[in-house]
Amino acid sequence: EPEVTQTPSHQVTQMGQEVILRCVPISNHLYFYWYRQILGQKVEFLVSFYNNEISEKSEIFDDQFSVERPDGSNFTLKIRSTKLEDSAMYFCASSEYASRQTQYFGPGTRLLVL
Amino acid sequence: AQSVSQHNHHVILSEAASLELGCNYSYGGTVNLFWYVQYPGQHLQLLLKYFSGDPLVKGIKGFEAEFIKSKFSFNLRKPSVQWSDTAEYFCAVILSSGSARQLTFGSGTQLTVLP
Repeated sequence: EPEVTQTPSHQVTQMGQEVILRCVPISNHLYFYWYRQILGQKVEFLVSFYNNEISEKSEIFDDQFSVERPDGSNFTLKIRSTKLEDSAMYFCASSEYASRQTQYFGPGTRLLVL
Repeated sequence: AQSVSQHNHHVILSEAASLELGCNYSYGGTVNLFWYVQYPGQHLQLLLKYFSGDPLVKGIKGFEAEFIKSKFSFNLRKPSVQWSDTAEYFCAVILSSGSARQLTFGSGTQLTVLP
């Protein structure tokens, strides 16, 4: 069964550094998403992406964040100038179509900002 | 803004006990509803979903959920839990109309099943 994959599984970085989290969505899916879960809190939506552009973003997704689909398979989340409060589990998801479709999640990247 | 409430933060059951996890949402429009499960060390997996039709939906591993529109609820049930059901369970909703695609999650319920 096709799966969403994410790399790395864990990332430790110093405050102020830039990180890039990578995701490979399911191959025939058209919509891609990033969510995050701060330890002990809810899973929160960050951004959705379709047709090479952002279709929705939350208040969390400010200028510090950017997403890109650099090639036909990868979908990346870049966090510039990381802050301590960016420490969280970041989940990538993909769906074949829009809102009535199931989103399939990757295993997550645990980001720790020191 | 829509929100999802899961009132049980941690549920502990013995094997063979029946399970019901509560989920309520606050949105007056039409929603699509999901239950996801996260087993220890694994990613979020879809248990079941409701889009329309029969409000009683069956999912994998013997789970089912009932959509009660008048109560804004989508409770998850299983008649007899197993040790392997130990996991965190998340209820989520998405608006079924318009362009909204973001899932709104509840805070999750940790289920521990004692052997």
